[in-house]
Amino acid sequence: AQRVTQPEKLLSVFKGAPVELKCNYSYSGSPELFWYVQYSRQRLQLLLRHISRESIKGFTADLNKGETSFHLKKPFAQEEDSAMYYCALRADNFNKFYFGSGTKLNVKP
Amino acid sequence: DAGVTQSPTHLIKTRGQQVTLRCSPKSGHDTVSWYQQALGQGPQFIFQYYEEEERQRGNFPDRFSGHQFPNYSSELNVNALLLGDSALYLCASRDQRGSYEQYFGPGTRLTVT
Repeated sequence: AQRVTQPEKLLSVFKGAPVELKCNYSYSGSPELFWYVQYSRQRLQLLLRHISRESIKGFTADLNKGETSFHLKKPFAQEEDSAMYYCALRADNFNKFYFGSGTKLNVKP
Repeated sequence: DAGVTQSPTHLIKTRGQQVTLRCSPKSGHDTVSWYQQALGQGPQFIFQYYEEEERQRGNFPDRFSGHQFPNYSSELNVNALLLGDSALYLCASRDQRGSYEQYFGPGTRLTVT
């Protein structure tokens, strides 16, 4: 069965410190992985997807099929990065998204 | 473009009642998905509508049903409400022929008492 696991409910770091939000998945097919972000009082929005291999707002994520992971990383956290982050998997039929339970990132000044 | 809009914003219902939630997709989008987000959890996929038909369904009982209209707007209906149906209900839209990206609405907060 498809599953997305985010082991940390809350992650607190100081401004300028590196940050890594963990995501592990379980899926038998060919997954497509995403990170979504929700800032305070805003809607859920796409941050990045693994296929594009791009860096958004300094964040990157690499799909590791051997470890079935898609961790989100940023070398120097900023206060404006404080938000809820959700890892999501799209099944290869393109119609279903499976979300993790989310990690709240708190960047302290 | 206001993006994806949902109504109402908040709703309080009694156990056993029925509820209808509404969603208008982003301009140019023809596919609508519904999600349930319980407190402290990530969104859970309920179903998706395209061309006025349900295309995919998550692990939700038949009490959850939906509809898509010719203008691509959509409704989510929940019958025989249970306390456990209390959640934030999110609608997301995308262009089936275009980008993979789905755009989310602000959600409807449903409280069942």
